[in-house]
Amino acid sequence: DQQVKQNSPSLSVQEGRISILNCDYTNSMFDYFLWYKKYPAEGPTFLISISSIKDKNEDGRFTVFLNKSAKHLSLHIVPSQPGDSAVYFCAASHNYGGSQGNLIFGKGTKLSVKP
Amino acid sequence: IAGITQAPTSQILAAGRRMTLRCTQDMRHNAMYWYRQDLGLGLRLIHYSNTAGTTGKGEVPDGYSVSRANTDDFPLTLASAVPSQTSVYFCASSETGVGNQPQHFGDGTRLSIL
Repeated sequence: DQQVKQNSPSLSVQEGRISILNCDYTNSMFDYFLWYKKYPAEGPTFLISISSIKDKNEDGRFTVFLNKSAKHLSLHIVPSQPGDSAVYFCAASHNYGGSQGNLIFGKGTKLSVKP
Repeated sequence: IAGITQAPTSQILAAGRRMTLRCTQDMRHNAMYWYRQDLGLGLRLIHYSNTAGTTGKGEVPDGYSVSRANTDDFPLTLASAVPSQTSVYFCASSETGVGNQPQHFGDGTRLSIL
């Protein structure tokens, strides 16, 4: 059973508009959430993270929102730029037991930003 | 430039052959990881190591082995490759194996098993 779900395989937005990527999780023990960005033929690059004690974290054009009661997080990119076109992965981890620190990834959402 | 180096970048291998994927990091990170990425499945953890001398199994460990003789190197071995192991393999590292830290990834090895 998937513990981290990204239900939208793809998203297309116009340059300058907002991109919203969504992620849901099932394991209530997750306490750290991350977003990675991946270009073709490259490894995933860490983008932004949020701890479960917060509900928002902002870094420039990127903001991550966490709704613990709904087990949902989202990544907002404002304004979107063509260079943001990539696959975005949501990931989660917990801090207990033998597998602490191991990341569980969603399947990814391919974002296309059109000029 | 500091980071993670994976080798080879790509490889075509006959089924039944042995193959070792290399991973080296120069960030002095304690924890290292191996993932495979398959179309439509995202990244799945194969094996991990929280510190030199220790290893652990991830979500999909069968058919793979790892070793961690020192801090910098974390090779992944396929003892007898099978076509289902065709995938893109990513090595990653983090400062420690404790949660709440981002992992940093190499650029991957594309492996095709025929």
